[in-house]
Amino acid sequence: ETGVTQSPTHLIKTRGQQVTLRCSSQSGHNTVSWYQQALGQGPQFIFQYYREEENGRGNFPPRFSGLQFPNYSSELNVNALELDDSALYLCASSLGGVSSYEQYFGPGTRLTVT
Amino acid sequence: EDKVVQSPLSLVVHEGDTVTLNCSYEVTNFRSLLWYKQEKKAPTFLFMLTSSGIEKKSGRLSSILDKKELSSILNITATQTGDSAIYLCAVEVPGNQFYFGTGTSLTVIP
Repeated sequence: ETGVTQSPTHLIKTRGQQVTLRCSSQSGHNTVSWYQQALGQGPQFIFQYYREEENGRGNFPPRFSGLQFPNYSSELNVNALELDDSALYLCASSLGGVSSYEQYFGPGTRLTVT
Repeated sequence: EDKVVQSPLSLVVHEGDTVTLNCSYEVTNFRSLLWYKQEKKAPTFLFMLTSSGIEKKSGRLSSILDKKELSSILNITATQTGDSAIYLCAVEVPGNQFYFGTGTSLTVIP
């Protein structure tokens, strides 16, 4: 196990609703990245937070937003849910900075939008 | 646009076979390349390759980075049923951002 936890494990929402997913980073990691993984696809980068600031963003609309807290836990918020938002949402924590470090993934949250 | 492509998309082999998975990339400012194994949900880290470490080995798994050809291979020798999984390749660019390929689905038949 990596020490990265996510909640909830599964979630079913209706189109148009809003959802909040949570991630607790591995101890000592100050960077968290969020990914969307559709069925049969690789993870797609949503955004990254480093020391509570957004540090980069992929090609996702503004209705995908996030927060990182002082204890480096993180939230992913998605507004106005669409059917295509159904996917596995993964968070990954790492050490930030100029050196390359591997990311450690959480088990993910499976979101189904009906 | 940064891009990571993996091949083949899927592979079925028998126990004991050796497999080679491929990853090619087109990114600006390459920093590192990582291989992950994804069995059910969370991808688990296998290797990280950088310019200063272009070959890694762990047991039956090994990986090589070819910076000239902008590619990497992951080799698995003497495959076992427990090796069945999706193998993901990711490339890191500045800002700790990672671009993933679609993955190679490996099935090892007893």
